Amino acid sequence: KAGVTQTPRYLIKTRGQQVTLSCSPISGHRSVSWYQQTPGQGLQFLFEYFSETQRNKGNFPGRFSGRQFSNSRSEMNVSTLELGDSALYLCASSFSGGATYNEQFFGPGTRLTVL
Amino acid sequence: SQELEQSPQSLIVQEGKNLTINCTSSKTLYGLYWYKQKYGEGLIFLMMLQKGGEEKSHEKITAKLDEKKQQSSLHITASQPSHAGIYLCGAGLTDSWGKLQFGAGTQVVVTP
Repeated sequence: KAGVTQTPRYLIKTRGQQVTLSCSPISGHRSVSWYQQTPGQGLQFLFEYFSETQRNKGNFPGRFSGRQFSNSRSEMNVSTLELGDSALYLCASSFSGGATYNEQFFGPGTRLTVL
Repeated sequence: SQELEQSPQSLIVQEGKNLTINCTSSKTLYGLYWYKQKYGEGLIFLMMLQKGGEEKSHEKITAKLDEKKQQSSLHITASQPSHAGIYLCGAGLTDSWGKLQFGAGTQVVVTP
């Protein structure tokens, strides 16, 4: 089976712009979670989608949004970019999304740099 | 503050020596995951522990979850250069969808 794929791998944007990142989960997985990783804050949970519905959300401002399509692919969008949004954005896929008995596999990440 | 405490923050080990990384929580862990990350790259799944007292091994890596499900350890036997990287523990601290809390990570350097 192919692993989790994320596109693009690298992005450079300027403050005020918006960006869309894409994640394709492992075939058969219906849950997609998004995380932000920075040197200062480590890995932080953004949100989780299952069957096109957001089931869980972390403590991020409304500028961070996401969606999931019927084929389980997911996108996240960040509007009005700020310098502090520079980070590695990781998505993880799992079969059902529960923390128990449900392995989460991560993609290679998208490195976003905001200038 | 981190809800999952990992120790040590970093360690340098000579090739062939053993090492242990610990992951501790004040709350019950719903699913404990160990991942490895090369700097700036994605997380590689190592193993997942669910039941108190559970122990799993893969090649030279062994992970245990204590009986109370509040602490886990990752042990590498006879370390090799390929074991270098950042090791992260992640866990569900509540049984909420898709959300894992992560420790700050342990950077492992393997010297010749």
